[in-house]
Amino acid sequence: DQQVKQNSPSLSVQEGRISILNCDYTNSMFDYFLWYKKYPAEGPTFLISISSIKDKNEDGRFTVFLNKSAKHLSLHIVPSQPGDSAVYFCAASARPLISPPGTSTGTASKLTFGTGTRLQVTL
Amino acid sequence: EAQVTQNPRYLITVTGKKLTVTCSQNMNHEYMSWYRQDPGLGLRQIYYSMNVEVTDKGDVPEGYKVSRKEKRNFPLILESPSPNQTSLYFCASSFLEQGLSNGYTFGSGTRLTVV
Repeated sequence: DQQVKQNSPSLSVQEGRISILNCDYTNSMFDYFLWYKKYPAEGPTFLISISSIKDKNEDGRFTVFLNKSAKHLSLHIVPSQPGDSAVYFCAASARPLISPPGTSTGTASKLTFGTGTRLQVTL
Repeated sequence: EAQVTQNPRYLITVTGKKLTVTCSQNMNHEYMSWYRQDPGLGLRQIYYSMNVEVTDKGDVPEGYKVSRKEKRNFPLILESPSPNQTSLYFCASSFLEQGLSNGYTFGSGTRLTVV
């Protein structure tokens, strides 16, 4: 059962335009969400995150939007650049990556990843 | 340079021959984890460790073992590899207290083929 879904395996966007990558989740316990970017032959690199207490987080050209009622988040890249061409993974956690002192670690540090969307930014 | 180092990068082995994929981080991170990436399935967690001598199963632990004898190292052991363990493996680490904002640091991956 795929709890985090990225339904678009690929996306092509022209340089300078907006790229919108979507992610849906089914587990209502998820309350932290992250986006990772992955180039070929490299490990994923952290891009941006959002807590469920927010509906938007912005970092330069990257903005993540969260719609809790729809269990949907999206990553906007504006303007898109050729160097943004990569595979993008969204990930979700039911608890913070850290556990407050005295609490059970359990699955507190588990990230559930989506299947990824390959973004190609064309000239 | 702060990094997570995995070795080897590529490995082809035969069914049943024990192997170890090493992972080392130089950032003094408490938390380390192993993931496997398969087409159409994304990244799935195999095992994780919150600190030295503390390990726990992830989503797909069958057929794997780990150990955390030192803070910097978290090897992944396949006692008797099978073809369904052919995959791309990633090691990751983080501080326990850095919060959500920084996520994990990933290694560059190990592509394992079991024939």
